[in-house]
Order: sequence, then structure tokens, then C-alpha cells
Amino acid sequence: EIVMTQSPATLSVSPGERATLSCRASQSVDTNLAWYQQKPGQAPGLLIYGASTRATGIPARFSGGGSGTEFTLTISSLQSEDFAIYYCQQYNKWPPPYTFGQGTKLEIK
Amino acid sequence: QVQLVQSGSVLKEPGASVRISCKASGYTFTSYAMSWVRQAPGQGPEWMGWINTNIGNPTYAQDFTGRFLFSLDKSASTSYLQINSLKAEDTAVYYCARVGSGWYMAYWGQGTLVTVSS
Repeated sequence: EIVMTQSPATLSVSPGERATLSCRASQSVDTNLAWYQQKPGQAPGLLIYGASTRATGIPARFSGGGSGTEFTLTISSLQSEDFAIYYCQQYNKWPPPYTFGQGTKLEIK
Repeated sequence: QVQLVQSGSVLKEPGASVRISCKASGYTFTSYAMSWVRQAPGQGPEWMGWINTNIGNPTYAQDFTGRFLFSLDKSASTSYLQINSLKAEDTAVYYCARVGSGWYMAYWGQGTLVTVSS
């Protein structure tokens, strides 16, 4: 099973600043990596797939990068609505499972 | 627009069974697989498996074999998750999630809280 490790566990950033979240896979997943945002009491929502493609309706301040085992999610200028938990998920290998990371909580500094 | 609407929260005693429904709309139901995801309190999501909505064939992650069953009613565009012999550790929010062009979760249901307690 591929293990996904996210860092840091918690990131404190001020509104308007840039945030960079990391996700590492225990083996290569090519670019089969998605990012999700989850707010309290809500379902996760897709932000990025294919490591760098924004999902429909996602603002341009969200960008994803990386391939193989190292990935990043960057939020260029944090808005109040961006403070949430972010999860990465790999969906590369067959057979599954398609494992999630443990999450990064992005909080207001 | 794509919508996945799940059944409501339930409280069950240990040893009981529960069936959660997930009604899809806004797209051709049989064109995309449906995954199920568990999220225990305060934890990250866990991918449970998926069901082929065309032929109804399920695939389960290793931790979700035996007591967990995926099924379909194609005529009603509805997927189901049944959990048998419920345990306290099954307490979680369960989500259905439609895959996208790859095996990522493009659309999510609102979640169903299953609480297992005597």
C-alpha cells in the first residue's frame, strides 16, 4: 500500500500571505495525485487533480505541482475562506487502495 | 449539475446492520464508478472501495472486506453501502464520491453519520 505523508500537520499563515503544503508518496504515483479541501462539518471537495489541474470553479490562487513522490499545493494569497484542512490522495496504482494523506490544517495566524 | 444525496444520520446498536443510500443526479449514472469513503471522528478520509455502476461489480479495500457491501439500483441511480455486524469503531461519517476522469473523487455526497452505541 502506498503511504501518503503530508507536512506540516498544522500551518499558521496570515490572510493575504502565501501558503505551501507538501505531500510525499512512499513510491512513485506519477501525476496521479489529487488535493481536497475540507471545512468543518462539510464533505471534502476536489481542488486539484492530475497533480496540477484545477477542478471546475477553483480559483487561480490554488496551484498544484510535483510528480513522482513529491507534491505541493500552493495558495498564493490566502483568503478567509481558505482556512480549512487539506488532504492529498494518490490514485495511481492498480489494484487500489487509493490512499489519502493525514491532512494539513491551515489556520489563521 | 452533479448531485449526490445521501440518506440521513443513524444510531445503531453493536451487532446491527445499516444501509446507506446515495442518489445521483445530473449525469449518466452508469458512466462513472462510485467510491465510498469513511472518515472517523477527527481523522482523515479512508478509501473503502468502489463499485462499477455499469455491471455492479464491487472492489473493496483490504480493511473493508467481509462486513461491508456495495450495491446498486441502476433504475433509481442509487448506490448503497451496507455494513453488517456493526462495531463501535465503525462510528464515522460515510461518504459516497463519484470518480472523475481518473480515480480521484470529483463529486462527494454530503455524508452520513453512523453512530454505533448501546
